[in-house]
Amino acid sequence: AQSVTQLDSQVPVFEEAPVELRCNYSSSVSVYLFWYVQYPNQGLQLLLKYLSGSTLVKGINGFEAEFNKSQTSFHLRKPSVHISDTAEYFCAVTLSGAGSYQLTFGKGTKLSVIP
Amino acid sequence: SQTIHQWPATLVQPVGSPLSLECTVEGTSNPNLYWYRQAAGRGLQLLFYSIGIDQISSEVPQNLSASRPQDRQFILSSKKLLLSDSGFYLCAWSVTREELFFGEGSRLTVL
Repeated sequence: AQSVTQLDSQVPVFEEAPVELRCNYSSSVSVYLFWYVQYPNQGLQLLLKYLSGSTLVKGINGFEAEFNKSQTSFHLRKPSVHISDTAEYFCAVTLSGAGSYQLTFGKGTKLSVIP
Repeated sequence: SQTIHQWPATLVQPVGSPLSLECTVEGTSNPNLYWYRQAAGRGLQLLFYSIGIDQISSEVPQNLSASRPQDRQFILSSKKLLLSDSGFYLCAWSVTREELFFGEGSRLTVL
């Protein structure tokens, strides 16, 4: 079975500074990888996803992530954060092959942007 | 376009009372449907998923049950709530592996 580890539960960062949210996964077969964002008291929305092809994936709101198969990582980055980026971010993985589609989530990283 | 509706948005219930959370998807046919629970510091836990009417799988043993009476309706229920059932419940749908779409969530507080 696949699993996801988000290494930081909370990340404070000053406005306009860069940020990296770390995610490592474990799976013995090919996977799809995702980052979702959750604003307070709301559902989750997709930031970006890696399915295949280029290992650098660009998403909404200026975020990007890089798939690194050798390190089994999918870290999320933004070169300059805004106050509005304050939210909780979830990394998720699912198997890319046949079978039921179940998404396994990490425990989340709370990003706090400091003015 | 597809939309997902989840209600009620907030609910405060006494221990031992019943529960019913509803989720409806519009604009798509035969979606996979999911119920997740989010507790503080524990991420998202998959509770149930369904690939069709009356086809529901439970991921964890618990005090909850799910039903899918119609193609685009998914209901989460309990006969007697426990304190540990408190949390933020999220309904979601998908038709491919490429994205999961979430509702706005239902916050349940059991007192």
